[in-house]
Amino acid sequence: NAGVTQTPKFRVLKTGQSMTLLCAQDMNHEYMYWYRQDPGMGLRLIHYSVGEGTTAKGEVPDGYNVSRLKKQNFLLGLESAAPSQTSVYFCASSLRTAEAFFGQGTRLTVV
Amino acid sequence: AQSVTQPDIHITVSEGASLELRCNYSYGATPYLFWYVQSPGQGLQLLLKYFSGDTLVQGIKGFEAEFKRSQSSFNLRKPSVHWSDAAEYFCAVGVLTNAGKSTFGDGTTLTVKP
Repeated sequence: NAGVTQTPKFRVLKTGQSMTLLCAQDMNHEYMYWYRQDPGMGLRLIHYSVGEGTTAKGEVPDGYNVSRLKKQNFLLGLESAAPSQTSVYFCASSLRTAEAFFGQGTRLTVV
Repeated sequence: AQSVTQPDIHITVSEGASLELRCNYSYGATPYLFWYVQSPGQGLQLLLKYFSGDTLVQGIKGFEAEFKRSQSSFNLRKPSVHWSDAAEYFCAVGVLTNAGKSTFGDGTTLTVKP
């Protein structure tokens, strides 16, 4: 079983460039999330979705956009990357019980 | 809003010794509680969860955790640590009425000495 798959795994961007991170889950979960992980700051929620066609802001949404056109996919976009967005990004999905299943992460460096 | 505190940023134990990682939460009702483990370069993996019932829950890899409502704690334990347990551990509290979102602690890094 694939679970939650994130692509790409690594990426280097120049300041001002844009990119999209893709998250796909095959567990038929309603809820999906994007987190960023920075040293000493744990996991911070960027955006989340409670179902196909819905998205909502999390704790640190500025500079990011998301879309959930299909239930199994959750896309995270950076329109104009900044060095402060250098981080490891994790996608997760869950049932209503909040038990989360995580992808392997995307390590993004903005130079 | 819920919150989670993991008081220990870094813990070092000898292989074969017992382990206890602390977690305190703040939430008005009975929460759903989780422990996750993250090995270097990997995503988070669920170790165990507490929803209701028996306050001592068993998880994978020989871990267990005890929910103590009076202390608002959910400490993770293992009787004998193996070198492969070296990782970062996260406690989380989830709320069903909040879109299933979990709030995570800042994590505790476990180092295992040979």
